[in-house]
This record gives sequence, structure tokens and C-alpha cells, in this order.
Amino acid sequence: ELKVEQNPLFLSMQEGKNYTIYCNYSTTSDRLYWYRQDPGKSLESLFVLLSNGAVKQEGRLMASLDTKARLSTLHITAAVHDLSATYFCAAGANEKLTFGTGTRLTIIP
Amino acid sequence: DAGVIQSPRHEVTEMGQEVTLRCKPISGHDYLFWYRQTMMRGLELLIYFNNNVPIDDSGMPEDRFSAKMPNASFSTLKIQPSEPRDSAVYFCASSWVTDTQYFGPGTRLTVL
Repeated sequence: ELKVEQNPLFLSMQEGKNYTIYCNYSTTSDRLYWYRQDPGKSLESLFVLLSNGAVKQEGRLMASLDTKARLSTLHITAAVHDLSATYFCAAGANEKLTFGTGTRLTIIP
Repeated sequence: DAGVIQSPRHEVTEMGQEVTLRCKPISGHDYLFWYRQTMMRGLELLIYFNNNVPIDDSGMPEDRFSAKMPNASFSTLKIQPSEPRDSAVYFCASSWVTDTQYFGPGTRLTVL
């Protein structure tokens, strides 16, 4: 059974700082997603990573994948307030996705 | 495209009542997924369909829950009878093959 762990669960960051969210998965997965969820809202797809060493960047967010270590990271550069949200990683096996517990990110001015 | 559409957005009902949640997937998508999100259990996959056929319902919590997809444009998730522990946000998502799953706005269910 595919299991996905994220850490940290909660993260408070000051504006302008850098930080990384980690996502580990337990068995072979053929794709890794990062989603964002604002309070009371739906999940929005940010990135999909399909191969070892894949790196995707959008604005202040950069995601990477190491399939050998079964690890994906989401790096936040020079955080700004509008990045405050809950971030989920999800590992894919066949058609199904298994989601991590989410990381609630709060950016403090 | 309008994205995944769910209705109702909010539902408040009393214990023992039947609840029906509805979903319209993105046109052309061949997979449809039903998820439940709670603070305690996070995001759980309940059931998913491929080309209107249920493929895996192992996440459905118990027989009180049922789901149908009569055609490519419509799916329902029914709870009968509802219980307070069913209170959660229920999301529908759709995808083309194993591409990105796109989520609907969710239905917030409260069972009193």
C-alpha cells in the first residue's frame, strides 16, 4: 500500500525567508503532484513531476523529485503573504493518488 | 471549460436522512473520483470510475454509502441513512487517463 508522509505539518515563516516542505512516499510511484488549498476552497494543482531529477518552478515555488530516495521537495523562496495556504503532495500509482497529510503554511509579515 | 461542478455546495441535514451529492466532471475526462476531507483523516479516496464503470470502491466507509455514474457527465454519491460522523467536505475530481486530477469546489456536509 502506497503511503505518503509530509513534514512539517505546520510551518510559520517570516516574509522574505526560504523554506522547504518534504514529501516521502513508501513504494514505487509513477508521478508526484503538488496541490495548494486555500481555507474553505478546493485543491488547485501546482506541479506534476514525472521522472527522477524532475524540477518544476512557478514564481517563488520550486518542486523537485528524487525517485531513488522516494522524496519530493517543495521549496519556497523569499516567501510572501499570498503563499499562505495548505500544500499537499500526492503520489500516483496507476489511476489513484495517495495524498499526504498536508503542510499548513502561514507567512508572517 | 467550466471545470468540475458539484452541487449542493453546502448541505445541512439531520441524522437518519438521505443525502445525495452530485458531480459533473470536465467534458472529455474518463476518470471520476470521489474524496472525503476531514481534519482527523485528511483526504480519503472513496471510490473512482473509469468510463462510467466503478473500478475501486474499497474506500467507501460502509454500506450506507453508494455511488453511481449513469453517464459520462454525471455522478452521484448517496449516504443513507446519514450520521453525524459523515460530516465532512466531499470533493469530486476528474482526469484524463492518469493526468492531473482536477477538483470541484466541494460539498460541505453537516449532519446534525
